[in-house]
Amino acid sequence: DVKVTQSSRYLVKRTGEKVFLECVQDMDHENMFWYRQDPGLGLRLIYFSYDVKMKEKGDIPEGYSVSREKKERFSLILESASTNQTSMYLCASSSGVGFSNQPQHFGDGTRLSIL
Amino acid sequence: GENVEQHPSTLSVQEGDSAVIKCTYSDSASNYFPWYKQELGKGPQLIIDIRSNVGEKKDQRIAVTLNKTAKHFSLHITETQPEDSAVYFCAASYTGNQFYFGTGTSLTVIP
Repeated sequence: DVKVTQSSRYLVKRTGEKVFLECVQDMDHENMFWYRQDPGLGLRLIYFSYDVKMKEKGDIPEGYSVSREKKERFSLILESASTNQTSMYLCASSSGVGFSNQPQHFGDGTRLSIL
Repeated sequence: GENVEQHPSTLSVQEGDSAVIKCTYSDSASNYFPWYKQELGKGPQLIIDIRSNVGEKKDQRIAVTLNKTAKHFSLHITETQPEDSAVYFCAASYTGNQFYFGTGTSLTVIP
């Protein structure tokens, strides 16, 4: 089975801190994604990556950056955390190159609280 | 960009009854439509998907139908069981890199 592992289930940080959320997948997938999930808003895409060192902005990239130095690892960075970034963050991966449609496999999420 | 609407937002059914969740999409180029189930404290898990060259797909008690002309697709769960209680998300994609999700349906199956 595909395994997508997010390093923390719960995280509490202070306003202004730099926050790192880590995600690792074990299926050699090309594509990796970061979403945030908020009640009534569904899943919104923050950033995705289709290859090592490549990244693309999603729908809500403001206040976030990402890093993909290795194929299996995709990190989400909150440069200066703010209270409106309190949310559930989900990492996902999928196989396929270019425009092939393959299902995404999700981690169990990191619930981040910014105080 | 694509816009996916999902209804209803909450749904309660008696055990053994059927449940139907509907989604509409706006971009006629979308050609892949997965459905995810999210249980409490877990990430979404794929339960079934359909591609635009197919009108219907079944897997045991779940089925998905797609109407490309009307741009809507639906999830059907028959003979519901308490373990079907969860939040269900539909999604649409045409690139494989960007998926657009509905806002979710919280399904409760009453024993």
